[in-house]
Amino acid sequence: QKEVEQNSGPLSVPEGAIASLNCTYSDRGSQSFFWYRQYSGKSPELIMFIYSNGDKEDGRFTAQLNKASQYVSLLIRDSQPSDSATYLCAVQRGTSYGKLTFGQGTILTVHP
Amino acid sequence: DAGVTQSPTHLIKTRGQQVTLRCSPKSGHDTVSWYQQALGQGPQFIFQYYEEEERQRGNFPDRFSGHQFPNYSSELNVNALLLGDSALYLCASSATSYGIPPTGEQFFGPGTRLTVL
Repeated sequence: QKEVEQNSGPLSVPEGAIASLNCTYSDRGSQSFFWYRQYSGKSPELIMFIYSNGDKEDGRFTAQLNKASQYVSLLIRDSQPSDSATYLCAVQRGTSYGKLTFGQGTILTVHP
Repeated sequence: DAGVTQSPTHLIKTRGQQVTLRCSPKSGHDTVSWYQQALGQGPQFIFQYYEEEERQRGNFPDRFSGHQFPNYSSELNVNALLLGDSALYLCASSATSYGIPPTGEQFFGPGTRLTVL
């Protein structure tokens, strides 16, 4: 079992729709959860982080965390073609430092 | 405020050679982590440096070594290069903090693309 698994893509959604990206993790000691966006040929860019169970909203992005189910998700509302990228889920054991363990990424394509 | 910087951008080496990659963290950050990202995969953690010491290490052989300088910048050294070392090498900076709320966010530099022939 992989430490961090993301839903297999690619995921294709029409412009204006909600894109839902999912991630499960195996280490129950994980405390910090991150979503990165990576455009082709570029480095990962941090878009959201969440530490507590529940939802966290930032603009068009909502991160959801359920530690009991070891599940974290990212919703992108009103998807735009510029959201087309690979989305990486990362988990961290600590709350202030330590390695990030990444999933393999989900490729999202938003078509006009 | 400059973000994380890395040099060089691209590098081509041959098998058996040695390479040194460099990273300067964001202003105010004291912790540097290195990751290797193969094509189509998520980044894999190599090691993390804090207070000029290797604080944590991933599953990479001893051919991979690093250093952190007093100004928090860092180097990644890879000896005896193999074809399989071809990848994007990413440096991430963060601020180790024990306060509340917790931090731990890592911000990536643009990366160094290493090709081993």
